[in-house]
Amino acid sequence: GENVEQHPSTLSVQEGDSAVIKCTYSDSASNYFPWYKQELGKRPQLIIDIRSNVGEKKDQRIAVTLNKTAKHFSLHITETQPEDSAVYFCAASYSTLTFGKGTMLLVSP
Amino acid sequence: EAGVAQSPRYKIIEKRQSVAFWCNPISGHATLYWYQQILGQGPKLLIQFQNNGVVDDSQLPKDRFSAERLKGVDSTLKIQPAKLEDSAVYLCASSLVPGTLNTEAFFGQGTRLTVV
Repeated sequence: GENVEQHPSTLSVQEGDSAVIKCTYSDSASNYFPWYKQELGKRPQLIIDIRSNVGEKKDQRIAVTLNKTAKHFSLHITETQPEDSAVYFCAASYSTLTFGKGTMLLVSP
Repeated sequence: EAGVAQSPRYKIIEKRQSVAFWCNPISGHATLYWYQQILGQGPKLLIQFQNNGVVDDSQLPKDRFSAERLKGVDSTLKIQPAKLEDSAVYLCASSLVPGTLNTEAFFGQGTRLTVV
């Protein structure tokens, strides 16, 4: 089955800095790559996703890049704010949805 | 639109007891997932249904866990008997059929299970 590796496990940045989270996947058939944000005690919520026919997607301060050849994808958050502090999960999907172990992002004022 | 509904929100049981969780997905969503999320870890897929058929249950501990989605709508996940290591949040999610354009999985609030 699919295996998703995510790095780093924790990431601390200063407000205004950029944050990058990287993931790799194993199944070349995966064609959908969502990113979820989970605040403490709450449900995961989708923040951005990308499909395998696209190399990059941007939504305001958030962008995701995908390299199908290398089987890795990344989340980029620019101009970070304290409210961006949360756990972020990448996932890969073809017929099932497999998550990485998560990155705890802490944005300090 | 109404979201994914789960109940109960919290459950405390003793080891070796049984427990059941219920999930009602978003109307029209053919795919339903049950995930186990242990504190500090990512969601681990236990079982995935498409309508009332099982797509993947490779990580479901079948000696103690069972799940059903009899009418292709709501679903029940059961643990019998529970172990201490089953303490986790059990998340239900639903989506349209994977591989289609709209594949976003929407999560319920989860059931926090504590086994003592």
